[in-house]
Amino acid sequence: DVQLLESGGGLVQPGGSLRLSCAASGFTFSKYAMTWVRQAPGKGLEWVSAISGGGESTYYAESVMGRFTISRDDFNNVVYLQMNSLRAEDTAIYYCAKVDLRVFGVAPFDYWGQGGLVTVSS
Amino acid sequence: QPVLTQPPSSSASPGESARLTCTLSSDINVAHYRMYWYQHKPGSPPRYLLYFYSDSDNGRGSGVPSRFSGSKDTSANTGVLLISGLQSEDEADYYCMIWPSNVVFGGGTKLTVL
Repeated sequence: DVQLLESGGGLVQPGGSLRLSCAASGFTFSKYAMTWVRQAPGKGLEWVSAISGGGESTYYAESVMGRFTISRDDFNNVVYLQMNSLRAEDTAIYYCAKVDLRVFGVAPFDYWGQGGLVTVSS
Repeated sequence: QPVLTQPPSSSASPGESARLTCTLSSDINVAHYRMYWYQHKPGSPPRYLLYFYSDSDNGRGSGVPSRFSGSKDTSANTGVLLISGLQSEDEADYYCMIWPSNVVFGGGTKLTVL
């Protein structure tokens, strides 16, 4: 079975940094793109970032461009989201998801992790 | 940035059908895009339901029952998720998603099964 397990969330002050991890199992990790989607309290889903299988290409929403960095370790089957210069509006549950394609293209996010809560507050 | 508009809420009774809509902004044409649908229940991760492009290009996620189906109303520039034979467990938020240049989600519809 496909499993995705996020870790690394928590409380951080505005301007601070945090790194989320997502450990994957149950599929050939390197063959699939991975993505992060967030949900702020009381709000809908917002796409954040993605990385192609193998890590050659990365993609970011405008709201996080220049502050967040996505990366992956295909040996240990982990995808990361490094979040810098955090703002109150970044407070959300962050979900990692598997993309049903190696390149980040028109394909479903077919499996999702349980999510990790990031709270940005002083 | 394209906008996907979903009614904030919808309701129907068990056994009935629910028709959830997702209307695209005028700068993009629903006929040109695969539309994806996700179900999200409180305390659980989103679940991929299905995509619809055309009658010959569509599909459901793993384990998704056939009473979930998609369609398009091109005259209204709208994608549709139809849930037939509603069950209490279908009560959830439903999100549409398209991929014009980057991923765009609709605002979600909260479906109440009365």
